[in-house]
Amino acid sequence: GEDVEQSLFLSVREGDSSVINCTYTDSSSTYLYWYKQEPGAGLQLLTYIFSNMDMKQDQRLTVLLNKKDKHLSLRIADTQTGDSAIYFCAEGRANFNKFYFGSGTKLNVKP
Amino acid sequence: DGGITQSPKYLFRKEGQNVTLSCEQNLNHDAMYWYRQDPGQGLRLIYYSQIVNDFQKGDIAEGYSVSREKKESFPLTVTSAQKNPTAFYLCASSRTGGNLDGYTFGSGTRLTVV
Repeated sequence: GEDVEQSLFLSVREGDSSVINCTYTDSSSTYLYWYKQEPGAGLQLLTYIFSNMDMKQDQRLTVLLNKKDKHLSLRIADTQTGDSAIYFCAEGRANFNKFYFGSGTKLNVKP
Repeated sequence: DGGITQSPKYLFRKEGQNVTLSCEQNLNHDAMYWYRQDPGQGLRLIYYSQIVNDFQKGDIAEGYSVSREKKESFPLTVTSAQKNPTAFYLCASSRTGGNLDGYTFGSGTRLTVV
């Protein structure tokens, strides 16, 4: 399967935590990525996690991976208005020659 | 600094015309990709190339063409056969063979048919 699914929208208040979820279908996925897209711009790599890891923390970002359920999440602590963007998860498979992207979650941070 | 450059940032096309979007990278990446982004639809793969002089169709190749004559360059032509070309186009590159870097994206070209 090639489907990577995300919910389309998330709205939070400034200072709260945001949790963006992603599900994927291919158990051969080796690396899973989170990208951020600001309006009118390309995608920036935020973080990644190996499929043999359960969690990765990088400053305000925490990635959780449940490989059994094929579920990936990105938690942003102390969400700021500058975090408003579209967030994409992507899976890379053994040969890395093609990534599979989710549809993106638009995060809206209200002051 | 290494990076990937797309030009132009905005492009207007009359119906029936072909247009070519430029994508250049100086990251020494072997693989390059073209994606189309429509609101609420995420990224859809148009074409990709893993090596010079070779490329493969992605999920929505109809109405598009590419070439890969140089490692650094992967131009995309939107032909008059593409029925709904107005979209945001993203070019990306990566090393092949497995890596942690993922894809590096350009800043995109917004194409509008007038």
